[in-house]
Amino acid sequence: ELKVEQNPLFLSMQEGKNYTIYCNYSTTSDRLYWYRQDPGKSLESLFVLLSNGAVKQEGRLMASLDTKARLSTLHITAAVHDLSATYFCAVFTNSGYALNFGKGTSLLVTP
Amino acid sequence: DAGVTQSPTHLIKTRGQQVTLRCSPKSGHDTVSWYQQALGQGPQFIFQYYEEEERQRGNFPDRFSGHQFPNYSSELNVNALLLGDSALYLCASSYSGAKYNEQFFGPGTRLTVL
Repeated sequence: ELKVEQNPLFLSMQEGKNYTIYCNYSTTSDRLYWYRQDPGKSLESLFVLLSNGAVKQEGRLMASLDTKARLSTLHITAAVHDLSATYFCAVFTNSGYALNFGKGTSLLVTP
Repeated sequence: DAGVTQSPTHLIKTRGQQVTLRCSPKSGHDTVSWYQQALGQGPQFIFQYYEEEERQRGNFPDRFSGHQFPNYSSELNVNALLLGDSALYLCASSYSGAKYNEQFFGPGTRLTVL
């Protein structure tokens, strides 16, 4: 059974600080997705990482993928309040049809 | 270009009732997946429809059923509602011919079972 584990599950950080969210998964996959979800809202696609060593950056967020270690990271640089949300990583099951999500990391950025 | 749309936005039902949720995929997409997201959890895959057939099913009971229409839109039906069915139901669409099968999510339907 494919397992996707994120840590930490909760993160409170001050504005201006840096931090990294980790996503481990238990089966071989060459694709990993990061989503953002605001309270009561749907999932917004942040990054699609398609190969080993892939690195993508958008604003203060940078995501990377190490398929050999089955690990992805989402790095936050100089956090601002607008980044407060829940972040999910997800990989496809072996069939390639169903996304399997982690439990999410709830991020709160405080002044 | 309209994205994925879902209706209704919110729904309140009582235990034992039946509910139907609707989803229209993004233009050009032919595949629809449904996910259930309980409060504080990640989305859980219910099933996927392609060419009007259920292509894959997650670990959900037969009370959950679906349908896909010729125009690619889809319905999710839940019978004999339980309190535990209260959740945000997300529809995601994708194009079968896309290389990386990215799924695009709709705004969701919030179902409350009393």
